[in-house]
Amino acid sequence: AQTVTQSQPEMSVQEAETVTLSCTYDTSESDYYLFWYKQPPSRQMILVIRQEAYKQQNATENRFSVNFQKAAKSFSLKISDSQLGDAAMYFCAYRSPGASGSRLTFGEGTQLTVNP
Amino acid sequence: DAGVIQSPRHEVTEMGQEVTLRCKPISGHNSLFWYRQTMMRGLELLIYFNNNVPIDDSGMPEDRFSAKMPNASFSTLKIQPSEPRDSAVYFCASSLGGGVTEAFFGQGTRLTVV
Repeated sequence: AQTVTQSQPEMSVQEAETVTLSCTYDTSESDYYLFWYKQPPSRQMILVIRQEAYKQQNATENRFSVNFQKAAKSFSLKISDSQLGDAAMYFCAYRSPGASGSRLTFGEGTQLTVNP
Repeated sequence: DAGVIQSPRHEVTEMGQEVTLRCKPISGHNSLFWYRQTMMRGLELLIYFNNNVPIDDSGMPEDRFSAKMPNASFSTLKIQPSEPRDSAVYFCASSLGGGVTEAFFGQGTRLTVV
């Protein structure tokens, strides 16, 4: 079974600075999908960014980008120009391939605090 | 679309009572997931359905938990009898297929069993 590990329970960053959240995973599959979700205090789960394992290019969404290292099984999230609204719990998630729906396996989460 | 709709938002019940959580997925989505979130165990997948058929229920903690999806627009998660350790936030999510497609989550139901 696949596992996802987020080794940083808490992180903090100054407003306008850059922060990187770590995620590693364990899998024997060669094709898969990776996601970062954000959960603000409202508890709504919001997709931040996603990456297909077969793509070498790192995904980018505005201020959010990933550093995908397939050989190292690492999928870190970089948040540039941090804003107060970025404060939330961030979850890394793994999904196996398949035409039909398949499970998302989540990491433990990293609580991000943004200091003004 | 209004997104994934869960009801109720909050539920407080006494130990031993039956609890039913409800979920309406996004129209057209063919996969539906039930997750449980606690401080101790994080986000755990309880069960997921594909085209209304349960595919994997290995995460259902015990026989007190059951889930149904009678049609493409409705699913329930039932706990009977409820116990204090069932207190958690229960999320329903839906997606169109698998792969890199986004799973959309509902607002969750916060269940408190006293």
